[in-house]
Amino acid sequence: GQQLNQSPQSMFIQEGEDVSMNCTSSSIFNTWLWYKQDPGEGPVLLIALYKAGELTSNGRLTAQFGITRKDSFLNISASIPSDVGIYFCAGKYSGAGSYQLTFGKGTKLSVIP
Amino acid sequence: SAVISQKPSRDICQRGTSLTIQCQVDSQVTMMFWYRQQPGQSLTLIATANQGSEATYESGFVIDKFPISRPNLTFSTLTVSNMSPEDSSIYLCSVARGEYGYTFGSGTRLTVV
Repeated sequence: GQQLNQSPQSMFIQEGEDVSMNCTSSSIFNTWLWYKQDPGEGPVLLIALYKAGELTSNGRLTAQFGITRKDSFLNISASIPSDVGIYFCAGKYSGAGSYQLTFGKGTKLSVIP
Repeated sequence: SAVISQKPSRDICQRGTSLTIQCQVDSQVTMMFWYRQQPGQSLTLIATANQGSEATYESGFVIDKFPISRPNLTFSTLTVSNMSPEDSSIYLCSVARGEYGYTFGSGTRLTVV
C-alpha cells in the first residue's frame, strides 16, 4: 500500500520556538491533510490542502502542498504548551476509493515551558 | 463538521470475548470508516462502511474478526471478535462529508487481558 514518510518522529522544543515537520510520499496525492491528536482523543483536522503549491495558514499554523504533490510541510510559529500532541499528515487520492486516507506515522511534539 | 459520539470510550476485556463499539453521528453521512491505532502507532484503516451494503475491508482485516454493521446513515458498529492481547488498540470511527471533510470520534481504548 501507499506510505507516507513523516519526520521528525519526535521533537522537544522550548516554548516560543518555531516548529517544522514534513511528509513525503513516493506517490502523488490530490489532497494533503494535517491532523493533531491529543492524548485520549481522536485526531482533529488542522489544515487541508487541495492544490499543488498551495500555502494555507490557520492561526500560528502554516502548511504547504508540494509542487510535485508528493510532499507537504507544517510549520507552527511561536509554540505554546498546548501545542503538545501528535501531528499526523494524511494523503488522499481523487477517483475510485477517493475517500480513503493514508496516514503518516506522526510527529510527537513536546514543548518545554 | 459532523459531531461523532463513540462508545465505549475505553474497556478492559478478557481474551476470547467480543466487544462492540458504537459510532453515532449527528447528521446523515454516506461514508463511515473504522480505523485502528496500535500503541504509539499511526492510524490504519480497517474497513469502509456504507449503508445498505457490505463493508469493504482493507488487506489484513477480515469480516469474521471485525464484523461491521451500518443500519442507517447516522450509525455504525464495529465488533472486535475473539479478542487477544494483540487487539489492544484505540479504535476510531470517522466520517467523510463531501470531498474534504473528515471528522474522527474520540476513540475507544481497548485493553485485552
